[in-house]
Amino acid sequence: GENVEQHPSTLSVQEGDSAVIKCTYSDSASNYFPWYKQELGKRPQLIIDIRSNVGEKKDQRIAVTLNKTAKHFSLHITETQPEDSAVYFCAASGRGSTLGRLYFGRGTQLTVWP
Amino acid sequence: NAGVTQTPKFRVLKTGQSMTLLCAQDMNHEYMYWYRQDPGMGLRLIHYSVGEGTTAKGEVPDGYNVSRLKKQNFLLGLESAAPSQTSVYFCASSYLQGILQPQHFGDGTRLSIL
Repeated sequence: GENVEQHPSTLSVQEGDSAVIKCTYSDSASNYFPWYKQELGKRPQLIIDIRSNVGEKKDQRIAVTLNKTAKHFSLHITETQPEDSAVYFCAASGRGSTLGRLYFGRGTQLTVWP
Repeated sequence: NAGVTQTPKFRVLKTGQSMTLLCAQDMNHEYMYWYRQDPGMGLRLIHYSVGEGTTAKGEVPDGYNVSRLKKQNFLLGLESAAPSQTSVYFCASSYLQGILQPQHFGDGTRLSIL
């Protein structure tokens, strides 16, 4: 099945700086790549997603880029704020017999210092 | 519209006891999922269902059983609880509209096995 690796596992930045989290996937047929944010004690919530027919997508301070050739995708957060502190998960979709599944990375703990 | 609702929210069991976790969604989603979340391990898929009456194994299915008798409900059972099953359990749902749509998560069930 699909294998998703996520780096770094922890990331600390100063308020106002940018943060980048990177993920790689193994199955070139994966075509859907969501990112989830999970605050302490809360449910994971979708913050942005990208499909394989698009190379980049932006939503205010958040952007995701996808490189299908290299099989990696990244989350970019600009002008970070303390409320961006959370665990972020990337995921890639399954295909064929595993259609409907998401394969998650192990998460990145982002801390934004004021 | 409540989304995905999990019951109970907290539970403490003794080793060897059994219990059932209930997940209910009111979005008419075909797909439903059970994950467990342990520190540093991300979200690991236990079992999932692509429609009423169907179930499939995920990454860590041993020690768990599931049933999807109604489209809106997905039950996760522990027949003989073990301390290794102490975790936070999340249910999620999604659907296909030509292409895979995002997963929506419940608030989680915190389960401790003594």
